[in-house]
Amino acid sequence: AQSVTQPDIHITVSEGASLELRCNYSYGATPYLFWYVQSPGQGLQLLLKYFSGDTLVQGIKGFEAEFKRSQSSFNLRKPSVHWSDAAEYFCAVGSSGSGYSTLTFGKGTMLLVSP
Amino acid sequence: DTAVSQTPKYLVTQMGNDKSIKCEQNLGHDTMYWYKQDSKKFLKIMFSYNNKELIINETVPNRFSPKSPDKAHLNLHINSLELGDSAVYFCASSQGAAGYNTEAFFGQGTRLTVV
Repeated sequence: AQSVTQPDIHITVSEGASLELRCNYSYGATPYLFWYVQSPGQGLQLLLKYFSGDTLVQGIKGFEAEFKRSQSSFNLRKPSVHWSDAAEYFCAVGSSGSGYSTLTFGKGTMLLVSP
Repeated sequence: DTAVSQTPKYLVTQMGNDKSIKCEQNLGHDTMYWYKQDSKKFLKIMFSYNNKELIINETVPNRFSPKSPDKAHLNLHINSLELGDSAVYFCASSQGAAGYNTEAFFGQGTRLTVV
């Protein structure tokens, strides 16, 4: 069964500094990978996704993520963090088999932005 | 023009009561889901419906009964509410199975508090 590990429960970054949120997945076949963001009291919004092709994917709000098969990782990055980026970030993996797959989420990383 | 909408947003109720949460999507998707987010923000799939047919039913107490009157609606009815049912419940939808070459779109969540 697939699983996702987000090793950092929370991270604090200064506004304007760069950000990297870690995500490791466990899945036997080619994974479909996602990053979602949840602002306080809100639902989940998709930031970006990787299905195939270029391993560096661009998303909304200036985020990008890089798929590294050798490391089973899909880390999220942003070159300059804004205070409005403070939120909970979830990495998720989906199966690539046929039938009725689902998203399996990591436990999330809370991003705090300091002035 | 909210894509996935849930009602109510907040629900406070006493133990033993029966309550329902409603979900509607206007994206024309054929698959809908209920996820539960616990107090530690962990997201776990509960149910999935494809074209009104139940396709995923995770280990959830049978006090929880989903109902899909049509492709655009998926409601969640909970009988005999318990303190442990307190959580945020998210409805989501996708075209095809989320995680298999497609992403899920989430509602704003319903915060259920059982007292």
